[in-house]
Amino acid sequence: GNSVTQMEGPVTLSEEAFLTINCTYTATGYPSLFWYVQYPGEGLQLLLKATKADDKGSNKGFEATYRKETTSFHLEKGSVQVSDSAVYFCALSDQVGGYQKVTFGTGTKLQVIP
Amino acid sequence: KAGVTQTPRYLIKTRGQQVTLSCSPISGHRSVSWYQQTPGQGLQFLFEYFSETQRNKGNFPGRFSGRQFSNSRSEMNVSTLELGDSALYLCASSLAPLVEQFFGPGTRLTVL
Repeated sequence: GNSVTQMEGPVTLSEEAFLTINCTYTATGYPSLFWYVQYPGEGLQLLLKATKADDKGSNKGFEATYRKETTSFHLEKGSVQVSDSAVYFCALSDQVGGYQKVTFGTGTKLQVIP
Repeated sequence: KAGVTQTPRYLIKTRGQQVTLSCSPISGHRSVSWYQQTPGQGLQFLFEYFSETQRNKGNFPGRFSGRQFSNSRSEMNVSTLELGDSALYLCASSLAPLVEQFFGPGTRLTVL
């Protein structure tokens, strides 16, 4: 079945550091890929998405490129801020047995210190 | 455009009781999904409704059930509550089933 693997957290960075959160996936079809962010006490918010190979999703300085050859969708940001502290979830959406199914990773907690 | 709303935001129940959670999707969204989020298990898919029909179901016992109304609002019911049901229950809506979901703030359920 489909699966999403994210790097273990927590990840602690100093403000203005470069961020990479790794995400790899296995899927039987041609999935769409997503990054969601969850701030403390809130639900998940869609951060960015990519629907086909080599697509780059970007939003709020975050980027991720859909790499089919390495089945990866790593999240990057050039300069993190304290306000980026949150839990980040990688997810895929794929057709399984005629139905659309979504699979989430376990989440990676990011803490940015001033 | 109003986001996904969930009521109530917080609930405290005792073992054996039942609970009903409500979710109002974004206007125009016909797909509503429910998730359980716990520190130990992460985000787990409960079920998904589209046009009042349950289309997908996760691996949860029959105590967990749901329904969707003609206006796309959805309810989730948990009967015979157990301590392990304590969690944040998230609802998400989307235009089409399970693509680009928009999440509500969640209902925090505590079972004592």
